Amino acid sequence: EAQVTQNPRYLITVTGKKLTVTCSQNMNHEYMSWYRQDPGLGLRQIYYSMNVEVTDKGDVPEGYKVSRKEKRNFPLILESPSPNQTSLYFCASSLRGGNEQYFGPGTRLTVT
Amino acid sequence: GENVEQHPSTLSVQEGDSAVIKCTYSDSASNYFPWYKQELGKGPQLIIDIRSNVGEKKDQRIAVTLNKTAKHFSLHITETQPEDSAVYFCAASSGTYKYIFGTGTRLKVLA
Repeated sequence: EAQVTQNPRYLITVTGKKLTVTCSQNMNHEYMSWYRQDPGLGLRQIYYSMNVEVTDKGDVPEGYKVSRKEKRNFPLILESPSPNQTSLYFCASSLRGGNEQYFGPGTRLTVT
Repeated sequence: GENVEQHPSTLSVQEGDSAVIKCTYSDSASNYFPWYKQELGKGPQLIIDIRSNVGEKKDQRIAVTLNKTAKHFSLHITETQPEDSAVYFCAASSGTYKYIFGTGTRLKVLA
């Protein structure tokens, strides 16, 4: 089944404790992206990747890191999480940029 | 910076009526405009999209119109059904493939 998977789905952590949210797609898509969703603010793009080893900042990249070493994986790294990073995070992929994005199920992160 | 304004934030319609959601974008380089539907507890799913070289696109009960001059695009849903109830997001993207999303519209279709 073609899909985007994210892990974990739920995470509660403390300020400053490094964490990684994994994202994987099995559709051989070139484009992958991370978004955060907050009430009243919609979806905001954090980082995106046009292909392996090619990443670029979205609208809200501060406090996040990404890497794209393999085509199928695009992990999101929070090296020192803060409470303002409490949010619902979505990973998405598309065949190329400017095409239909397929979203994962979301990761709900709480930073205390 | 670039932004996309979406209105209304909530919309209630009677089953069978039409629903219209409007978005305005600021980046004149935007050339791809998708609409996503998000059901409770799920990730967004594309319902229709339009590119800047097209003024209108239809898919059964759903249509999108684009006015490049006014930097404005709209989603039209006809003959609404209870299963159309969800949150809808518009988005705009340019050649850089960075996406700017609207803040969402919660549509309720009343039976």
